[in-house]
Amino acid sequence: EVQLVESGGGLVQPGGSLRLSCAASGFTFSNYYMDWVRQAPGKGLEWVGRIRNKANGYSMDYVASVKGRFTISRDDSQSSVFLQMNSLKIEDTAVYYCARIMLGSMKPFDYWGQGALVTVSS
Amino acid sequence: EIVLTQSPGTLSLSPGERATLSCRASQSVNSNYLAWYQQKPGQAPRLLIYDTSTRATGIPDRFSGSGSGTDFTLTISRLEPEDFAVYYCQQCGNSPPYTFGQGTKLEIK
Repeated sequence: EVQLVESGGGLVQPGGSLRLSCAASGFTFSNYYMDWVRQAPGKGLEWVGRIRNKANGYSMDYVASVKGRFTISRDDSQSSVFLQMNSLKIEDTAVYYCARIMLGSMKPFDYWGQGALVTVSS
Repeated sequence: EIVLTQSPGTLSLSPGERATLSCRASQSVNSNYLAWYQQKPGQAPRLLIYDTSTRATGIPDRFSGSGSGTDFTLTISRLEPEDFAVYYCQQCGNSPPYTFGQGTKLEIK
């Protein structure tokens, strides 16, 4: 059974940092691209960023609003993906989901974690 | 960046009725790589449809997707009580960002 479990959420002050983790199980993690998607309270879904697999150079992409502040990394030996968030702003408050990209070209998210709440507030 | 606009914002229907949800893109979606997700309160989204019209594993056949270019539709042929939720479309095929629509809330009339 595929499982994605996020951890590391919490309350942080504006300008602070937080690191989210997503532990994967039930599939060959190293083969897959992994993304982060967030959802502000009562709002819609926003794609945050992607890290590709080793075959694609572990390349990354980010939405403009987090570029230069957020960094996605992965540890295939631990089947985990991470989201390092620096210089946090109030508008970064959201539930953060990690999600697996279906194998193949230009595919959607076929599995999601349960989400980790990040609250940025003074 | 492709902007996806979903309509209506809220759709009020009764169980047994047919639901038609629209997703319009600001530019053509590459090879129709358009997906639909369902989200219930307090839950993560669930993939329903991908590549415009392919049902994901375990999705009942009352859900269907259609469209091309810039106009896409999710149809639920006969609403069941568990179908009342928020639905999002997402473009997967063009360059990042892999944008979502703002969502359509399907509520019980």
